[in-house]
Amino acid sequence: AQRVTQPEKLLSVFKGAPVELKCNYSYSGSPELFWYVQYSRQRLQLLLRHISRESIKGFTADLNKGETSFHLKKPFAQEEDSAMYYCALSPRGSTLGRLYFGRGTQLTVWP
Amino acid sequence: ETGVTQSPTHLIKTRGQQVTLRCSSQSGHNTVSWYQQALGQGPQFIFQYYREEENGRGNFPPRFSGLQFPNYSSELNVNALELDDSALYLCASSPVSGAAEAFFGQGTRLTVV
Repeated sequence: AQRVTQPEKLLSVFKGAPVELKCNYSYSGSPELFWYVQYSRQRLQLLLRHISRESIKGFTADLNKGETSFHLKKPFAQEEDSAMYYCALSPRGSTLGRLYFGRGTQLTVWP
Repeated sequence: ETGVTQSPTHLIKTRGQQVTLRCSSQSGHNTVSWYQQALGQGPQFIFQYYREEENGRGNFPPRFSGLQFPNYSSELNVNALELDDSALYLCASSPVSGAAEAFFGQGTRLTVV
């Protein structure tokens, strides 16, 4: 069975500080990993996915298969990064958008 | 291009009643998934519809059922409502290509009293 764990429910940093949101997963196969973000009063939206290897809004995430982790990082946090962040896993082969989410981490960036 | 839209935005029902939630998928998407998000939790996968057929189901009882229509819009039906069904219900559509990326609606907040 698949499971996504986000150990921190709340995370606070000051503007300009580095930030790392942790995500660990368990899955017997080779999954696709995603980070979704929900800004205040907005819908859940995709931030980035591991196969893209992109940097979105300064955020990056590297899939570490040995540690089964997919931590989200940003070197210099901004106030507008304050939001709820969800790590999600999609089993390969199941396709078509079936996602398993962690419980989320609420990031607050103080001025 | 229109995004995923859900109706209604809020709903209050009494325990034991039945409810129908609606979702219009994003233009060009033929797959719709439904999620339940309880307070303080991440979304939980309920089921998925692809070309009008159920294509996978999460750990939810049979009183949760759904439909997908030829225009790819979808309904989620919940019978015999329980207090624990109170949650935000999210609909997500995925593109024809079958990518795992999902586009979410704004959700329907269901309160069961």
